[in-house]
Amino acid sequence: DADVTQTPRNRITKTGKRIMLECSQTKGHDRMYWYRQDPGLGLRLIYYSFDVKDINKGEISDGYSVSRQAQAKFSLSLESAIPNQTALYFCATSDSAGGLHSPLHFGNGTRLTVT
Amino acid sequence: GDSVTQMEGPVTLSEEAFLTINCTYTATGYPSLFWYVQYPGEGLQLLLKATKADDKGSNKGFEATYRKETTSFHLEKGSVQVSDSAVYFCALSEFSEKLVFGKGTKLTVNP
Repeated sequence: DADVTQTPRNRITKTGKRIMLECSQTKGHDRMYWYRQDPGLGLRLIYYSFDVKDINKGEISDGYSVSRQAQAKFSLSLESAIPNQTALYFCATSDSAGGLHSPLHFGNGTRLTVT
Repeated sequence: GDSVTQMEGPVTLSEEAFLTINCTYTATGYPSLFWYVQYPGEGLQLLLKATKADDKGSNKGFEATYRKETTSFHLEKGSVQVSDSAVYFCALSEFSEKLVFGKGTKLTVNP
């Protein structure tokens, strides 16, 4: 299903360019996350937002910024892309009502290549 | 801090073989534990979860039991199918209510 939609699905950009990855959700969840997936490293958290006015850094936030434009929208920006930001990026949502039992719901990912 | 260690892959099995993917965790309290599956070209999907010690999560023939004494949550399936070929991630959630993931184990099932 397309409850969590990421755009674009694929993006190739050059070093130094600013790019934005977008995420929207129709699940009505209050929490949203951006993860990065690299081969052999699993998923690492970049930023997360527990509601519209709450933005928090994850373990690898350097070089990234985010904006929570509405409950349903959470965008990730790379201010000046560099090749080691080449990765698969995932947006995810969860419902705070479930607390630490709440699973994440993922989009299908954006494959970003920085040349 | 919290961490998850899962067996390195890749794992290659024949159809109908028994599957075990080991997962151990480090946490200070009583986390919730999850297994996620990622099929090619897709995002991760929740496969099963367990929220307290001795709970057994199950779904689609997969099972995992929350073992606090061994801090483990191993994933098992009695008879794998080609369609089970995917990457499997173990994860936990504790006080911060953010998921911490293992590095993933790629499973390939051959006919």
